[in-house]
Amino acid sequence: DTGVSQNPRHKITKRGQNVTFRCDPISEHNRLYWYRQTLGQGPEFLTYFQNEAQLEKSRLLSDRFSAERPKGSFSTLEIQRTEQGDSAMYLCASSLGRPPNEAFFGQGTRLTVV
Amino acid sequence: AQSVAQPEDQVNVAEGNPLTVKCTYSVSGNPYLFWYVQYPNRGLQFLLKYITGDNLVKGSYGFEAEFNKSQTSFHLKKPSALVSDSALYFCAVRLQRNSNSGYALNFGKGTSLLVTP
Repeated sequence: DTGVSQNPRHKITKRGQNVTFRCDPISEHNRLYWYRQTLGQGPEFLTYFQNEAQLEKSRLLSDRFSAERPKGSFSTLEIQRTEQGDSAMYLCASSLGRPPNEAFFGQGTRLTVV
Repeated sequence: AQSVAQPEDQVNVAEGNPLTVKCTYSVSGNPYLFWYVQYPNRGLQFLLKYITGDNLVKGSYGFEAEFNKSQTSFHLKKPSALVSDSALYFCAVRLQRNSNSGYALNFGKGTSLLVTP
């Protein structure tokens, strides 16, 4: 499968614990995005990487959230001290840095904080 | 702020009939508009986009969308609906907050399309 891969697909954690998600983009895509989607809503932009550089962060990305993309390949999204409000689907997408530019999404990681 | 609105939570259409899923936008400058579809347990899939050029954009699976600048709309259409088109459809606009945003998108709330046999 040459699409965007996200792991794990599901994560249940206790409030206060730290969690880390991984995203493997399509290999030649230099742009990578993280979004969060809650039930009944569209995806909300969290952060954007161009190669290894994190160029944009949404106000939604509180200081408990951190994302990295070492070497411009896979990316990780870590949430520290999880809260029940963090429960959501976390989506990763990647795109080329030139037209056609449309993003390809992974299937997401569903986080449940209990 | 760049935003889109999808005024219908759900659209119901009989198989074989034409379908329209509505989207209006609010942007400063020229909009970059997208439609994505989300099937259960599957990731968002790109359908089509409008960047510039012809107002009628053709995309995947027989879908098309018409960019209407005067009405600030970008409605998704298909001449003949299939039961398999039943899914959640999202309209999106490029955030374009600054040159560092890449092609980050601002999505609408989504419209659930139900095509009945």
